[in-house]
Amino acid sequence: DVKVTQSSRYLVKRTGEKVFLECVQDMDHENMFWYRQDPGLGLRLIYFSYDVKMKEKGDIPEGYSVSREKKERFSLILESASTNQTSMYLCASSPPTGSGQYFGPGTRLTVT
Amino acid sequence: GNSVTQMEGPVTLSEEAFLTINCTYTATGYPSLFWYVQYPGEGLQLLLKATKADDKGSNKGFEATYRKETTSFHLEKGSVQVSDSAVYFCALSEAPYQAGTALIFGKGTTLSVSS
Repeated sequence: DVKVTQSSRYLVKRTGEKVFLECVQDMDHENMFWYRQDPGLGLRLIYFSYDVKMKEKGDIPEGYSVSREKKERFSLILESASTNQTSMYLCASSPPTGSGQYFGPGTRLTVT
Repeated sequence: GNSVTQMEGPVTLSEEAFLTINCTYTATGYPSLFWYVQYPGEGLQLLLKATKADDKGSNKGFEATYRKETTSFHLEKGSVQVSDSAVYFCALSEAPYQAGTALIFGKGTTLSVSS
């Protein structure tokens, strides 16, 4: 089975802190994605990557950056956390065939 | 642009009732269609998929048929269980598939099943 892991299930940070969310997949997938999930808004794509060191902006990239130095790892960075970034963050990976994405368990981030 | 519209919830059913969650989409070409399920406190799990018109995806008693003529992909189950209580997301993947193509999700439908 595909396994996507995220570094933390719950995280509490202060406004202005730099926050790193880590995601690792074990299926050698080319594509990796970061979403945030908010009540009433569903899932919104922040960034995705289709290869090592490659990244593309999604629908809501403002306030975020990403890093993909190794194929299996995709990091989401909040340069200066703000309260409006309090959310559930979901990482996903997929092969290059369009056969669907596999999600991690999510990180619930609270910024106070 | 491409989009997915799901029926708004919550959907509340008794155990063994029949379930339908409606999903319609707008897309150019021939997208692939998916249903995902999210149990409380967890990430999304792929429930079923269909990649071309008239395909039927099925898993764990759930079914959905890709209807191009009505641009729909409704989720059905003949007899729901309490353990099916979750949030269900319909999604599409644009076609032809290109590297890094992201999914477009509906907003989710919450299902609550009581015994």
